[in-house]
Amino acid sequence: SQQGEEDPQALSIQEGENATMNCSYKTSINNLQWYRQNSGRGLVHLILIRSNEREKHSGRLRVTLDTSKKSSSLLITASRAADTASYFCATPPGGYNKLIFGAGTRLAVHP
Amino acid sequence: ETGVTQSPTHLIKTRGQQVTLRCSSQSGHNTVSWYQQALGQGPQFIFQYYREEENGRGNFPPRFSGLQFPNYSSELNVNALELDDSALYLCASSPGTASTNEKLFFGSGTQLSVL
Repeated sequence: SQQGEEDPQALSIQEGENATMNCSYKTSINNLQWYRQNSGRGLVHLILIRSNEREKHSGRLRVTLDTSKKSSSLLITASRAADTASYFCATPPGGYNKLIFGAGTRLAVHP
Repeated sequence: ETGVTQSPTHLIKTRGQQVTLRCSSQSGHNTVSWYQQALGQGPQFIFQYYREEENGRGNFPPRFSGLQFPNYSSELNVNALELDDSALYLCASSPGTASTNEKLFFGSGTQLSVL
C-alpha cells in the first residue's frame, strides 16, 4: 500500500509560472523527503524536512509540512523547462528503515 | 552524479530465467537499498543491506534475494523471472547507520524486460 500519495498526478505549466505539488501520508513520520526523477532514470534527492519543521527552502524550492493533516507541499517558483520531471514524496513510516514513495507528480514545463 | 553505479543499464530476459543486477555504492556508504519501479509508479522497497546483513525487507517473494560485499557493493538476484518483474530496478546507498533520517543516493537503474 502507498504511504505517500501525490496530487496532482500530472501538471502542465508555462515557463516562469509556479508549480505546486501536494503529498499526503498515512502514518507518523520523523521526516519527509522529496525526490526528482528525469525520464525514468535515477532519483535525485531535493529536500528533507523533519517532523518538527513547518517550512524549508532550497533555492527555488519551498517545502511545507503539516503533521496534523499528514500532508506536505512542494512549490517550485519561476519554473524552467529543465524542471520537467517526475516528483516523488517519500516517508519512512515510524519504526521502519525504508522509504515509501508515492506514485509521483509528472510536471511538464513548456517554453 | 551521485557516485552510485549500476550495471547493466538494460537487460532482456525470458520468463523463468535468473538475473543478477549489480550496484556499487557511493564511497563511504555502508547501507544499500534496492527498489523496483514499474512504469508510471513510484519505487517500491525490496530490501536493505547494512554491513553485509539484510536489514529490512519489503513485500517481495523469496525469489528476490540479495548480497552485500565487504566493500559495500551489492547484488540483487531474481530467480524464476515472471513477466511482472519487468521494471526499473534502482539501487540507493546512504551513509551511517541505516537510519531513516538520511537521504538516499540513487544510481541510474537497470531496466529489466522479461519476455
